[in-house]
Amino acid sequence: QKEVEQNSGPLSVPEGAIASLNCTYSDRGSQSFFWYRQYSGKSPELIMSIYSNGDKEDGRFTAQLNKASQYVSLLIRDSQPSDSATYLCAVNIGGYSTLTFGKGTMLLVSP
Amino acid sequence: ETGVTQTPRHLVMGMTNKKSLKCEQHLGHNAMYWYKQSAKKPLELMFVYSLEERVENNSVPSRFSPECPNSSHLFLHLHTLQPEDSALYLCASSQEMTGGNQPQHFGDGTRLSIL
Repeated sequence: QKEVEQNSGPLSVPEGAIASLNCTYSDRGSQSFFWYRQYSGKSPELIMSIYSNGDKEDGRFTAQLNKASQYVSLLIRDSQPSDSATYLCAVNIGGYSTLTFGKGTMLLVSP
Repeated sequence: ETGVTQTPRHLVMGMTNKKSLKCEQHLGHNAMYWYKQSAKKPLELMFVYSLEERVENNSVPSRFSPECPNSSHLFLHLHTLQPEDSALYLCASSQEMTGGNQPQHFGDGTRLSIL
């Protein structure tokens, strides 16, 4: 069973705070992990990709991967109201050639 | 020209109609995908094409028929749809399909409503 689990939220944070979004997946053989942002009524937009254990930083975004715990997270520093969106976690479960998406976590950043 | 273009953006059709969704990618990618996105559900992969060959068909009803005439174009032909088929249909592309390590880039989607 290929599964990617995310808390649906909403996760509410004040402007300027750190938002932490979490994702777990079902197979330790998974190799590629992606975070997408989807604004209401829009298509998913790639934010980050991560393939190795540890942290990967890109601007205000940091992806964290722990393959032993089957856990990947996305941290957003200095959250802005424009970050309010649904964040989708995608994994190639078991090293499979296609991606499995989670249901997404809705993030609300209040001014 | 945006990376992945889908037309139409919105489509309303009756259950007996036949229509087609179109996707075009300008990224030079070799793999293209159709997804269905319904409220409260994760993205559902419908079809995958790699180098114009269909490589995945996730138990999609035959009322959905894909076509990939070349690596830049992908169609989804619709026929005798049901109300539960109302959803956002997303097209995506990636450089390659093998290994699942390539990020996918999405079009803006077609919002489909079945009357």
